[in-house]
Amino acid sequence: QAQLVESGGGVVQPGRSLRLSCAASGFMFRVYAMHWVRQAPGKGLDWVAVISPDGDNEYYADSVKGRFAISRDNSKNTVYLQMNSLEAEDTAVYYCATTYGSYAPQCDYWGQGTLVTVSS
Amino acid sequence: QSVLTQSPSASGTPGQRVTISCSGSSSNIGSNYVHWYQQVPGTAPKLLIYRNDQRPPGVPDRFSGSKSGTSASLAISGLRSEDEADYYCAAWDDSLSESVFGGGTQLTVL
Repeated sequence: QAQLVESGGGVVQPGRSLRLSCAASGFMFRVYAMHWVRQAPGKGLDWVAVISPDGDNEYYADSVKGRFAISRDNSKNTVYLQMNSLEAEDTAVYYCATTYGSYAPQCDYWGQGTLVTVSS
Repeated sequence: QSVLTQSPSASGTPGQRVTISCSGSSSNIGSNYVHWYQQVPGTAPKLLIYRNDQRPPGVPDRFSGSKSGTSASLAISGLRSEDEADYYCAAWDDSLSESVFGGGTQLTVL
């Protein structure tokens, strides 16, 4: 059974950094593209970034470009989201999710999410 | 401000058929597949329809999807109380090189 477990969320001050992790199990991680999708409190889904199965290609939402970086370690079945220069608007539950075969937002598996709160 | 436009709310009574629409442009829906998610508040989204009209295993055939031009629709027939949730459409946008979501439609079963 596929499972994704996010970690690393918490309360952080504006301007600081945080790194999220997403540990995968139960499926062939190395052939899946991995997404980060966030959801601010009471708001809709907001796509953040995607990384190719081999880690060679990445795409970002305009709102996080230059501040966030997605990466993966296929030997550890883990995807990361390095978040720098955090802003209050980045406060959200962050989900990792998988897509097989493309970068499209056709996400079969989702984690339970980790909450990031940016506040002074 | 979402790239894909959805009505904020929809409603129906048990047994009815409800349709949720998603409007985009030539760079997203017009040239790529549309995917639909169901999200019960407090839980992770669940893939409901992929590639415009395909259902993942375990999704009842009461749920169906369609696409025409730059718009897509999700239909739910035989509405049930457990269908009460938020529904989101999503697609890849070639111009933005990003995935984009609709703002979501909150479905109420009266």
